[in-house]
Amino acid sequence: DVELVESGGGLVQPGGSLRLSCAASGFTFSSYGMSWVRQAPGKGLEWVSAITGIGYTYYADSVKGRFTISRDNSNNTLYLQMNSLRADDTAVYYCARDRLRTIAVAGVFDPWGQGTLVTVSS
Amino acid sequence: DIQMAQSPSSLSASVGDRVTITCRASQDITNYLAWYQQKPGKVPKLLIYAASILQSGVPSRFSGSGSGTDFTLTISSLQPEDVATYYCQKYNHAPWTFGQGTKVEIK
Repeated sequence: DVELVESGGGLVQPGGSLRLSCAASGFTFSSYGMSWVRQAPGKGLEWVSAITGIGYTYYADSVKGRFTISRDNSNNTLYLQMNSLRADDTAVYYCARDRLRTIAVAGVFDPWGQGTLVTVSS
Repeated sequence: DIQMAQSPSSLSASVGDRVTITCRASQDITNYLAWYQQKPGKVPKLLIYAASILQSGVPSRFSGSGSGTDFTLTISSLQPEDVATYYCQKYNHAPWTFGQGTKVEIK
């Protein structure tokens, strides 16, 4: 079965850094685009960042220059390095796989991981 | 960037009712539109892609339609297990923007 397991969330002070990980299993990781999507408490879904199977990256304007997405295809792991964190970055961060097996990012997300909570507060 | 607007933001309907949620894109996205369901406390789940194609395993009471800028998600006969927030999302190109969500409750 396809499984995505996020880790690395926690409490961090404003201006701090955090690195999220998403361990993937049950599929050929390198053949799929992957994304991070976040959800602030009580709010809707916000796409954050995406990466193609070969490492081409995309970012939402709200995180551009602060967040870096990367992947390790040999270890089937997706990462999100988050720097200069702000209170409005507080959210559950989900990793999500593209529905289609394509080297690009198709942008239809299925499945999703369980999420990891990031809280930015002093 | 293309914006996605859903309406209504919430609705309350009776079991068995037909429920319709609309999603409007600020520019033509042809049929690059997906719908997701998020039940309370749960992870989002893909319902429909390409505006009208049901994801495997999704009950047939769900359907999607539309193209260009105007789209609808219809639940033909609302069931208690359909209580959730529904999101549309465009995916023609980055950024892959979601609508603000529509919360569906049982009356």
